[in-house]
Amino acid sequence: DTGVSQDPRHKITKRGQNVTFRCDPISEHNRLYWYRQTLGQGPEFLTYFQNEAQLEKSRLLSDRFSAERPKGSFSTLEIQRTEQGDSAMYLCASSSATSGSGQTQYFGPGTRLLVL
Amino acid sequence: AQSVAQPEDQVNVAEGNPLTVKCTYSVSGNPYLFWYVQYPNRGLQFLLKYITGDNLVKGSYGFEAEFNKSQTSFHLKKPSALVSDSALYFCAVRDTNNAGNMLTFGGGTRLMVKP
Repeated sequence: DTGVSQDPRHKITKRGQNVTFRCDPISEHNRLYWYRQTLGQGPEFLTYFQNEAQLEKSRLLSDRFSAERPKGSFSTLEIQRTEQGDSAMYLCASSSATSGSGQTQYFGPGTRLLVL
Repeated sequence: AQSVAQPEDQVNVAEGNPLTVKCTYSVSGNPYLFWYVQYPNRGLQFLLKYITGDNLVKGSYGFEAEFNKSQTSFHLKKPSALVSDSALYFCAVRDTNNAGNMLTFGGGTRLMVKP
């Protein structure tokens, strides 16, 4: 059973550039989540998909951020015109809607973004 | 709205001693409560959860947590700490009144277990 995977693990970019991250959830999970974690803080929710539908978006997700899950499997998170304040760890998690109440979210290793 | 507080930034424990990491929550409905652990430069690893039923929940690596509704707490405990337990611990909550599935996390507590 492979866990949640994320690519790349690290990304360094210059301010103003666009970046894209990929998340591959646990294969039978139909729910996928993106969180952002800054240094010394807990993760903060960004957005959530059930299958290919994006059902919930945080106010943290500005219009420079876009997430997709076109076939209900992997997801991408794109940040356009990056700013230094975007530097953070971007975490992906997945869960199964059929696993009963609570639906534990399992996290990937994260993508650490540094904007210079 | 749902929120979580972890009042201690750091907890120091000697190896072999019991440990407690504190968590309190606020929800409008009933809570689903979770504990995760994070090792350096890694993602979050699930430890245990409370959904309903027995207030004492047992999880991975000998950890357990006790749900206390009157005190709105979900403290993480372990009878005998190991040096390898040193890590960052996060408590998280989901409100059953929340139609979405987002988790709200506390700020984290760093556990340091000294030999």
